[in-house]
Amino acid sequence: DQQVKQNSPSLSVQEGRISILNCDYTNSMFDYFLWYKKYPAEGPTFLISISSIKDKNEDGRFTVFLNKSAKHLSLHIVPSQPGDSAVYFCAASAGAGNMLTFGGGTRLMVKP
Amino acid sequence: EPEVTQTPSHQVTQMGQEVILRCVPISNHLYFYWYRQILGQKVEFLVSFYNNEISEKSEIFDDQFSVERPDGSNFTLKIRSTKLEDSAMYFCASTLSRQETQYFGPGTRLLVL
Repeated sequence: DQQVKQNSPSLSVQEGRISILNCDYTNSMFDYFLWYKKYPAEGPTFLISISSIKDKNEDGRFTVFLNKSAKHLSLHIVPSQPGDSAVYFCAASAGAGNMLTFGGGTRLMVKP
Repeated sequence: EPEVTQTPSHQVTQMGQEVILRCVPISNHLYFYWYRQILGQKVEFLVSFYNNEISEKSEIFDDQFSVERPDGSNFTLKIRSTKLEDSAMYFCASTLSRQETQYFGPGTRLLVL
Protein backbone atom coordinates (compact mmCIF):
# COMPACT_ATOMS: atom_id res chain seq x y z
CA ASP A 1 0.00 0.00 0.00
CA GLN A 2 1.82 3.08 -1.26
CA GLN A 3 -0.97 5.62 -1.23
CA VAL A 4 1.21 8.05 0.70
CA LYS A 5 4.90 8.03 0.05
CA GLN A 6 7.87 9.88 1.49
CA ASN A 7 10.74 9.15 -0.84
CA SER A 8 13.53 10.48 1.34
CA PRO A 9 14.16 8.31 4.38
CA SER A 10 16.53 10.90 5.82
CA LEU A 11 17.54 14.53 5.48
CA SER A 12 20.42 16.41 7.06
CA VAL A 13 20.34 20.20 7.35
CA GLN A 14 22.50 22.83 8.99
CA GLU A 15 20.99 24.82 11.84
CA GLY A 16 19.41 28.04 10.60
CA ARG A 17 18.85 26.76 7.08
CA ILE A 18 15.60 25.62 5.51
CA SER A 19 14.41 22.01 5.81
CA ILE A 20 12.12 20.78 3.04
CA LEU A 21 10.36 17.49 3.53
CA ASN A 22 8.36 16.02 0.67
CA CYS A 23 5.38 13.72 0.38
CA ASP A 24 3.48 12.28 -2.58
CA TYR A 25 0.07 10.67 -2.65
CA THR A 26 -1.90 8.71 -5.20
CA ASN A 27 -5.46 8.62 -3.86
CA SER A 28 -7.55 11.40 -5.41
CA MET A 29 -10.07 11.08 -2.59
CA PHE A 30 -7.61 12.50 -0.06
CA ASP A 31 -8.60 16.04 0.83
CA TYR A 32 -6.98 16.63 4.20
CA PHE A 33 -3.26 16.41 4.85
CA LEU A 34 -1.23 16.58 8.03
CA TRP A 35 2.34 16.53 9.18
CA TYR A 36 3.32 14.84 12.42
CA LYS A 37 6.65 14.81 14.20
CA LYS A 38 7.77 11.79 16.16
CA TYR A 39 10.53 11.23 18.66
CA PRO A 40 11.64 7.70 19.60
CA ALA A 41 9.34 5.98 22.11
CA GLU A 42 6.72 8.73 21.77
CA GLY A 43 3.52 9.08 19.81
CA PRO A 44 3.20 11.28 16.73
CA THR A 45 2.83 14.95 17.61
CA PHE A 46 0.67 17.06 15.34
CA LEU A 47 2.49 19.90 13.58
CA ILE A 48 0.37 21.41 10.84
CA SER A 49 -2.43 20.49 8.47
CA ILE A 50 -3.91 21.67 5.20
CA SER A 51 -7.18 21.00 3.48
CA SER A 52 -7.43 20.58 -0.26
CA ILE A 53 -9.18 23.92 -0.68
CA LYS A 54 -5.90 25.65 0.15
CA ASP A 55 -2.44 25.47 -1.34
CA LYS A 56 -0.52 26.86 1.60
CA ASN A 57 -0.80 26.96 5.36
CA GLU A 58 1.66 28.62 7.68
CA ASP A 59 2.22 28.32 11.41
CA GLY A 60 5.31 30.02 12.76
CA ARG A 61 8.40 28.32 11.36
CA PHE A 62 6.34 25.64 9.64
CA THR A 63 4.68 25.99 6.25
CA VAL A 64 2.91 23.27 4.33
CA PHE A 65 2.44 23.56 0.57
CA LEU A 66 -0.06 21.47 -1.37
CA ASN A 67 0.10 20.91 -5.13
CA LYS A 68 -3.06 19.02 -5.95
CA SER A 69 -2.35 18.58 -9.63
CA ALA A 70 0.96 16.92 -8.80
CA LYS A 71 -0.47 15.15 -5.75
CA HIS A 72 2.44 16.48 -3.78
CA LEU A 73 2.86 18.25 -0.49
CA SER A 74 5.87 19.60 1.29
CA LEU A 75 6.76 20.87 4.73
CA HIS A 76 9.15 23.78 5.03
CA ILE A 77 10.84 24.51 8.34
CA VAL A 78 12.58 27.88 8.50
CA PRO A 79 14.89 28.37 10.28
CA SER A 80 15.73 24.79 11.25
CA GLN A 81 16.76 24.18 14.84
CA PRO A 82 18.53 21.19 16.45
CA GLY A 83 15.34 20.49 18.42
CA ASP A 84 13.58 19.83 15.11
CA SER A 85 15.59 16.63 14.73
CA ALA A 86 12.98 13.85 14.64
CA VAL A 87 11.07 11.65 12.23
CA TYR A 88 8.44 13.52 10.24
CA PHE A 89 5.38 11.74 8.90
CA CYS A 90 2.92 13.04 6.39
CA ALA A 91 -0.58 11.66 6.60
CA ALA A 92 -3.71 12.02 4.52
CA SER A 93 -7.38 11.34 4.88
CA ALA A 94 -10.51 11.48 2.78
CA GLY A 95 -12.23 14.00 5.00
CA ALA A 96 -10.90 15.38 8.26
CA GLY A 97 -11.48 12.94 11.07
CA ASN A 98 -11.44 9.89 8.88
CA MET A 99 -8.74 7.26 9.04
CA LEU A 100 -5.26 8.57 8.41
CA THR A 101 -2.96 6.97 5.86
CA PHE A 102 0.66 7.60 6.75
CA GLY A 103 3.82 7.89 4.73
CA GLY A 104 6.92 6.00 5.79
CA GLY A 105 8.55 8.98 7.47
CA THR A 106 11.65 11.10 6.91
CA ARG A 107 14.30 11.36 9.59
CA LEU A 108 15.43 14.97 9.85
CA MET A 109 18.77 15.75 11.45
CA VAL A 110 19.55 19.40 12.11
CA LYS A 111 23.22 19.90 12.80
CA PRO A 112 24.35 22.73 15.09
CA GLU B 1 -2.31 21.00 27.84
CA PRO B 2 -4.68 18.02 27.66
CA GLU B 3 -3.15 14.87 26.24
CA VAL B 4 -3.99 11.31 25.34
CA THR B 5 -2.53 8.78 27.78
CA GLN B 6 -1.93 5.08 27.30
CA THR B 7 -1.18 2.20 29.63
CA PRO B 8 0.89 0.14 29.90
CA SER B 9 3.86 1.68 28.14
CA HIS B 10 5.29 -1.80 27.52
CA GLN B 11 3.67 -5.24 27.55
CA VAL B 12 5.27 -8.61 27.00
CA THR B 13 2.97 -11.58 26.48
CA GLN B 14 3.06 -15.15 25.30
CA MET B 15 1.58 -16.11 21.96
CA GLY B 16 -2.07 -17.07 22.33
CA GLN B 17 -2.66 -14.90 25.38
CA GLU B 18 -5.18 -12.08 25.53
CA VAL B 19 -4.02 -8.51 26.01
CA ILE B 20 -5.91 -5.33 26.73
CA LEU B 21 -4.36 -2.00 25.84
CA ARG B 22 -5.82 1.02 27.55
CA CYS B 23 -6.18 4.60 26.46
CA VAL B 24 -7.61 7.69 28.10
CA PRO B 25 -8.51 10.12 25.32
CA ILE B 26 -8.65 13.87 25.78
CA SER B 27 -11.66 14.45 28.00
CA ASN B 28 -14.08 16.25 25.69
CA HIS B 29 -13.15 14.29 22.57
CA LEU B 30 -15.76 12.15 20.87
CA TYR B 31 -13.92 10.23 18.16
CA PHE B 32 -11.36 7.59 19.04
CA TYR B 33 -8.85 5.63 16.98
CA TRP B 34 -6.28 2.86 17.23
CA TYR B 35 -3.22 2.68 14.99
CA ARG B 36 -0.20 0.44 15.11
CA GLN B 37 3.36 0.58 13.85
CA ILE B 38 5.30 -2.62 13.34
CA LEU B 39 9.02 -2.01 13.73
CA GLY B 40 10.44 -0.53 10.53
CA GLN B 41 7.04 -0.15 8.91
CA LYS B 42 4.45 2.60 8.47
CA VAL B 43 1.88 3.65 11.02
CA GLU B 44 -1.29 1.76 10.06
CA PHE B 45 -4.91 2.50 10.88
CA LEU B 46 -6.79 -0.20 12.79
CA VAL B 47 -10.17 1.16 13.84
CA SER B 48 -12.20 4.27 14.58
CA PHE B 49 -14.97 4.50 17.17
CA TYR B 50 -17.75 7.00 17.74
CA ASN B 51 -20.94 6.95 19.76
CA ASN B 52 -20.14 3.48 21.12
CA GLU B 53 -19.81 1.98 17.69
CA ILE B 54 -17.04 1.13 15.29
CA SER B 55 -17.29 3.64 12.45
CA GLU B 56 -14.46 2.36 10.30
CA LYS B 57 -11.98 -0.51 10.44
CA SER B 58 -9.11 -1.75 8.34
CA GLU B 59 -8.52 -5.27 7.07
CA ILE B 60 -5.99 -5.69 9.87
CA PHE B 61 -8.78 -5.37 12.43
CA ASP B 62 -10.06 -8.95 12.22
CA ASP B 63 -12.10 -11.00 14.67
CA GLN B 64 -9.27 -11.27 17.17
CA PHE B 65 -9.46 -7.52 17.80
CA SER B 66 -12.17 -5.65 19.65
CA VAL B 67 -12.60 -2.17 21.07
CA GLU B 68 -14.66 -0.89 23.91
CA ARG B 69 -15.39 2.28 25.81
CA PRO B 70 -16.28 0.72 29.15
CA ASP B 71 -16.80 4.01 30.94
CA GLY B 72 -16.70 7.73 30.26
CA SER B 73 -12.94 7.96 30.14
CA ASN B 74 -11.26 4.74 28.93
CA PHE B 75 -11.00 3.36 25.43
CA THR B 76 -9.57 -0.15 25.15
CA LEU B 77 -8.19 -2.40 22.45
CA LYS B 78 -8.36 -6.13 23.14
CA ILE B 79 -6.42 -8.72 21.22
CA ARG B 80 -7.99 -12.07 22.03
CA SER B 81 -5.27 -14.52 21.05
CA THR B 82 -2.03 -12.76 20.29
CA LYS B 83 0.25 -13.80 17.45
CA LEU B 84 3.93 -13.10 16.95
CA GLU B 85 3.04 -10.63 14.18
CA ASP B 86 0.97 -8.54 16.60
CA SER B 87 4.22 -7.25 18.08
CA ALA B 88 4.14 -3.51 17.41
CA MET B 89 3.66 -0.07 18.90
CA TYR B 90 -0.03 0.59 19.37
CA PHE B 91 -1.17 4.21 19.33
CA CYS B 92 -4.47 5.59 20.48
CA ALA B 93 -5.74 8.89 19.07
CA SER B 94 -8.73 11.10 19.67
CA THR B 95 -10.41 14.11 18.18
CA LEU B 96 -13.21 16.42 19.18
CA SER B 97 -15.06 16.28 15.89
CA ARG B 98 -14.54 14.90 12.41
CA GLN B 99 -13.25 18.29 11.31
CA GLU B 100 -10.51 18.31 13.91
CA THR B 101 -6.99 16.94 14.01
CA GLN B 102 -6.29 13.57 15.59
CA TYR B 103 -4.08 13.75 18.67
CA PHE B 104 -1.99 10.71 19.53
CA GLY B 105 -0.97 9.08 22.77
CA PRO B 106 2.60 7.94 23.53
CA GLY B 107 1.91 4.35 22.53
CA THR B 108 2.11 0.89 24.05
CA ARG B 109 4.93 -1.34 22.89
CA LEU B 110 3.58 -4.89 22.66
CA LEU B 111 5.97 -7.79 22.36
CA VAL B 112 4.54 -11.24 21.68
CA LEU B 113 6.89 -14.13 22.40
